[in-house]
Amino acid sequence: GQNIDQPTEMTATEGAIVQINCTYQTSGFNGLFWYQQHAGEAPTFLSYNVLDGLEEKGRFSSFLSRSKGYSYLLLKELQMKDSASYLCAGMDSNYQLIWGAGTKLIIKP
Amino acid sequence: DGGITQSPKYLFRKEGQNVTLSCEQNLNHDAMYWYRQDPGQGLRLIYYSQIVNDFQKGDIAEGYSVSREKKESFPLTVTSAQKNPTAFYLCASSSRQGSNYGYTFGSGTRLTVV
Repeated sequence: GQNIDQPTEMTATEGAIVQINCTYQTSGFNGLFWYQQHAGEAPTFLSYNVLDGLEEKGRFSSFLSRSKGYSYLLLKELQMKDSASYLCAGMDSNYQLIWGAGTKLIIKP
Repeated sequence: DGGITQSPKYLFRKEGQNVTLSCEQNLNHDAMYWYRQDPGQGLRLIYYSQIVNDFQKGDIAEGYSVSREKKESFPLTVTSAQKNPTAFYLCASSSRQGSNYGYTFGSGTRLTVV
C-alpha cells in the first residue's frame, strides 16, 4: 500500500531551528513534496525533491533519501508566521500525490 | 495570471439539499482533484479527473458527484446522501506529466450544514 507518516504536532521557539520528518511508501516514485498550510487556507508549495540530497531555499531546506524512504523539512530562524501545518506528499507513478496527515507546528515566543 | 478559482468561499446547506461547488482553472492542466479536509486532519481525496470526460472515485466518493465536460472546469456536487458534509473543500490541478510544483490549489470552499 501507499503511506506517508509524519508527526502530528511539534513545538519550537522563535529564532530556533526545527526539523519535521516524513517517511513514505508509494507505488513508484516521482518526487517528494512539502506544502505549508495556514489554518483555514489552501496549501502552498514549499519544496520538491526527486534526487537524494539537500535542497536549500532561504530559511527552508528539504532533504531526501530514496533508499530509506525518508525526507525532512528544516526550518531555520523560526518566525511566528511559520506557525502552520506542514504537509508531506509523495508523488506516485501516476503523478498523483499521496498525502500525509500534516504536522502542526507551534512557534512559541 | 493563471490559477484556480473556487466559489463560493462559504456555503451553507440545509438538510436534504444538494449543493454544487465550482472549480475553474486557466493553467491548461489536464488533471484536477477534489479534496475534503476536516478540522485538524489531512487531505482526503473525493474524486479526480486526468482528462476531459473521464473521472475516477477517490477514497471518500460516497455522497458526492462530479463532471468534467471542459478542461477548465471540475464542479463538485455534494448530494443529500452525504450525511456529514460540513468540511473545507479544496480543488487542485496538475500537469498530467507532473511537474516539480506538484499541485496548484484553489482557495477552498467552507461548507456548513444548517
